[in-house]
Amino acid sequence: GAVVSQHPSWVICKSGTSVKIECRSLDFQATTMFWYRQFPKQSLMLMATSNEGSKATYEQGVEKDKFLINHASLTLSTLTVTSAHPEDSSFYICSAWTSGINEQFFGPGTRLTVL
Amino acid sequence: KNQVEQSPQSLIILEGKNCTLQCNYTVSPFSNLRWYKQDTGRGPVSLTIMTFSENTKSNGRYTATLDADTKQSSLHITASQLSDSASYICVGGPRLYSGGGADGLTFGKGTHLIIQP
Repeated sequence: GAVVSQHPSWVICKSGTSVKIECRSLDFQATTMFWYRQFPKQSLMLMATSNEGSKATYEQGVEKDKFLINHASLTLSTLTVTSAHPEDSSFYICSAWTSGINEQFFGPGTRLTVL
Repeated sequence: KNQVEQSPQSLIILEGKNCTLQCNYTVSPFSNLRWYKQDTGRGPVSLTIMTFSENTKSNGRYTATLDADTKQSSLHITASQLSDSASYICVGGPRLYSGGGADGLTFGKGTHLIIQP
């Protein structure tokens, strides 16, 4: 149990386009979902926290207008990278949390490459 | 500023050998210490979670230790297998239970472990 999926697993896009990444909790309802970014050989860096039905909370330095987060249901959160640029190329990982389990379960990640 | 430092950065050992990975943390307030395994191009998978009152916890061939006084933790891998090749990430957390708002986890950069046949 406690499986989190992400789609797509990788995406290549042109500079200036927008990319949407989905995060789903497959077998449990996630009260809270977290979005992380990881550059090569670096730590996971928390970007934002999203609670179902409310606005996401962004970490300092993360542009909320560039990284749009929607948590429309207890099993789905989406991250949209708007007007992507090459410096946005990274590994994006989501995690889901539920009070019933009290643990974060990570998705497999999405590799974004912006040309 | 909360920090988690891991050593070594990378490690190569032969299959079947044991190894120990180190973690020093400065996390306040501190509640729990976690170890994750992250395969290349994949998300982290939890290995162990220890609260500040626990000294050791095992998960199969993985044994984690915690010394809250010296703020150090270690992850010992016994009888390594080729599938153990991955990055091992130490994470400090202020709260074991969280809901709403940032969880406040502090991630280390990881130790990249390579198991050679």
